[in-house]
Amino acid sequence: ETGVTQTPRHLVMGMTNKKSLKCEQHLGHNAMYWYKQSAKKPLELMFVYSLEERVENNSVPSRFSPECPNSSHLFLHLHTLQPEDSALYLCASSQYTSNEQFFGPGTRLTVL
Amino acid sequence: GQNIDQPTEMTATEGAIVQINCTYQTSGFNGLFWYQQHAGEAPTFLSYNVLDGLEEKGRFSSFLSRSKGYSYLLLKELQMKDSASYLCAVGSNSGYALNFGKGTSLLVTP
Repeated sequence: ETGVTQTPRHLVMGMTNKKSLKCEQHLGHNAMYWYKQSAKKPLELMFVYSLEERVENNSVPSRFSPECPNSSHLFLHLHTLQPEDSALYLCASSQYTSNEQFFGPGTRLTVL
Repeated sequence: GQNIDQPTEMTATEGAIVQINCTYQTSGFNGLFWYQQHAGEAPTFLSYNVLDGLEEKGRFSSFLSRSKGYSYLLLKELQMKDSASYLCAVGSNSGYALNFGKGTSLLVTP
């Protein structure tokens, strides 16, 4: 238990579906992150929020839309995904943006 | 940008010592992190180096040489539960991004 929870843990969706991933941190941190982890590839940073403001967006396709309504919650809205988007999506949080990041267990996403 | 290299796989024997190397080329540097990730689980923090030298934490130690763009993670008295992927990550000057290597999959055998 790292203090970061993610739901759902597994998700299967079609290319025309809309779904959302949820992340919640119980650590009082003020920065939250979305990462994508694909087989045989490094963890890829997707988005960073600091104090609920998006501070980094690493050229992620618009079919991925993040939302950070408060410092404890982070969402990733998914729309018209492609099969190559199938991966493990990890959420992380940290106190400020340069310190140790605590990861959630991830959502295993399969796009059919 | 960042280019981070680490071996893909390593095998070691229970009770032994193993060293996992990581080299990096970076346009900015704000510390080097090591994470452990068991299959199907979240990465968990192991160590952080921002100055040159060795940081020891129980059975695990991490070393950094900024001039050489080099770090290693040393695991002593290996246990079966140490079988996992070990991720090297470099912090960027922006303070936000952690750029990860592909990870080293360590198998500990009896």
